[in-house]
Amino acid sequence: SAVISQKPSRDICQRGTSLTIQCQVDSQVTMMFWYRQQPGQSLTLIATANQGSEATYESGFVIDKFPISRPNLTFSTLTVSNMSPEDSSIYLCSVNNRQNTEAFFGQGTRLTVV
Amino acid sequence: KQEVTQIPAALSVPEGENLVLNCSFTDSAIYNLQWFRQDPGKGLTSLLLIQSSQREQTSGRLNASLDKSSGRSTLYIAASQPGDSATYLCAVISGTYKYIFGTGTRLKVLA
Repeated sequence: SAVISQKPSRDICQRGTSLTIQCQVDSQVTMMFWYRQQPGQSLTLIATANQGSEATYESGFVIDKFPISRPNLTFSTLTVSNMSPEDSSIYLCSVNNRQNTEAFFGQGTRLTVV
Repeated sequence: KQEVTQIPAALSVPEGENLVLNCSFTDSAIYNLQWFRQDPGKGLTSLLLIQSSQREQTSGRLNASLDKSSGRSTLYIAASQPGDSATYLCAVISGTYKYIFGTGTRLKVLA
């Protein structure tokens, strides 16, 4: 299993500002995943963060809005840029086990944009 | 494109009832299926993982089954308790190593 720590756990931000979310894993992993969960909705994958290369974004998500860093095999950040109230969501970091057969999640960051 | 659907969307039952949550997926070429629990405003807790070669997994009062050919999984909760109240999500993983999540079932167990 993997233990994932996310910071901050929650934040209230002004529109137009940016927030960087940190994700720390207790073991080295190849891929880290960032998800968004809008109120009352299921999880949607934003991007896959690979160490040493650019993140791979899913349809509907762009790097300018959600820049991602992956400086090493245990850490990643997701920035939500130029926020609007529509960005109010829970953002979750996830990793798979070595066989890519099981997923583990952080506790999430609850973002409210006012 | 893989799509995962869960029914019912919401469920309210009295304490002690046995209940079944359903998950269906459109592409049977999956590596595994995983059931999660999510408490309000929180992250996800893994409940059961079923690999594609398996038919079911059990943990305590929970039993999950998988029928790949028909694209279905069920989560059975025995003797439900108020502490079981949460949203239950199923997710499948396929060749791209990405998880596709279902729409979730919001469960409320009444004391």
